[in-house]
Amino acid sequence: EVQLVQSGAEVKKPGESLKISCEGSGYMFTNFWIAWVRQMPGKGLEWMGIIYPRDSDTRYSPSSQGQVTISADKSLNTAYLQWGSLKASDTAMYFCARVSIMISGVPATFDIWGQGTMVTVSS
Amino acid sequence: QSALTQPPSASGSPGQSVTISCTGTSSDIGAYDYVSWYQQHPGKAPKLMIFEVRKRPSGVPNRFSGSKSGNTASLTVSGLQAEDESDYYCSSYAGSNRLIFGGGTKLTVL
Repeated sequence: EVQLVQSGAEVKKPGESLKISCEGSGYMFTNFWIAWVRQMPGKGLEWMGIIYPRDSDTRYSPSSQGQVTISADKSLNTAYLQWGSLKASDTAMYFCARVSIMISGVPATFDIWGQGTMVTVSS
Repeated sequence: QSALTQPPSASGSPGQSVTISCTGTSSDIGAYDYVSWYQQHPGKAPKLMIFEVRKRPSGVPNRFSGSKSGNTASLTVSGLQAEDESDYYCSSYAGSNRLIFGGGTKLTVL
């Protein structure tokens, strides 16, 4: 079965760092871009960035550039999303998703999704 | 980047058809055939239902269909079933490093 499995929910304080993960299985992990998508409470979806696990080529959406870091370890079939200093406004559900269609370096379609990681940032 | 415009809610009775619209501009939906639709049940991950305007991934019932006219894309659910009650999001490639989503539509099966 093709699936993405994410790490568990996190509760952090403002200013703390965090790294969440997304492990792929059931397919050749290095052949597909992986995206991170944010969903703030009660809101819609926003893509944050993508990574190609084979060579760690990484692209960020304009709004996420400089706010987060995306990385991958192809030996572990795992992608990561990390923050150096969390803010309350980072409170959201974060999904990883496999990119099935890329257009000029931008993800256009996501065909497999992880179950989501809820990140809560509160003092 | 501006979001695509979806109606906040839609509804229909079991067996009926419902169409959800997704309105953009000539720079996104009107310019490219890369519209996708996702279904998201509460507390769950989104699921791809339609890609490239009208294509269905394997396993998605043919009750779900997509179309586009000008700057507006549409998702039609025919033969509504209780399990179709969910939130639906559209997305469109918009050029220049942009992928934009709609605000979502809550579909209620009466």
